[in-house]
Amino acid sequence: EAEVAQSPRYKITEKSQAVAFWCDPISGHATLYWYRQILGQGPELLVQFQDESVVDDSQLPKDRFSAERLKGVDSTLKIQPAELGDSAMYLCASSPHRAGANVLTFGAGSRLTVL
Amino acid sequence: LAKTTQPISMDSYEGQEVNITCSHNNIATNDYITWYQQFPSQGPRFIIQGYKTKVTNEVASLFIPADRKSSTLSLPRVSLSDTAVYYCLVGEAAGNKLTFGGGTRVLVKP
Repeated sequence: EAEVAQSPRYKITEKSQAVAFWCDPISGHATLYWYRQILGQGPELLVQFQDESVVDDSQLPKDRFSAERLKGVDSTLKIQPAELGDSAMYLCASSPHRAGANVLTFGAGSRLTVL
Repeated sequence: LAKTTQPISMDSYEGQEVNITCSHNNIATNDYITWYQQFPSQGPRFIIQGYKTKVTNEVASLFIPADRKSSTLSLPRVSLSDTAVYYCLVGEAAGNKLTFGGGTRVLVKP
């Protein structure tokens, strides 16, 4: 079964440091999502890509967060500088882009702890 | 965007049927209803998806009334391993802007 790959699985950093997360979606999936999930809450959409273009980044804190999907395949989410409140699970998901229903396939996530 | 409302938590026992109802009063014509399951420290996993009436797969059933303003996920004969958080999502076609709510935490007891 095809999977969404994410790395690193765990990251501990100090506040004000830079952090980067990587995601490799399922081959052929045009849509890629980054979600942030704070412990005890549902995932919150940060950014959505259609191929290499950003479809929605309205919830992305652009003063410190950036995301890119340069070739329309894998993607990187960066935080600089990290703040204590950024401690969360960062989830990547992908889906095919076609008319009608779509299903998201999630990766295992990257858990960030900011000290 | 259609907002969803689910119970925060539910307790059940092994072997029982668990039904979780999700309200989505503002569902749009093109929206599908999708349910995901999430275990601790893992990403959500697709369970079932439907548009209207009833859908059944090897894991669950999804009941959607004619007005589509709510839906009910039914898990037959749950086991301890079904303890998880279950999310109801209502979203536009092509997977745009799928928003998660708080989910329902299901605890299955022995």
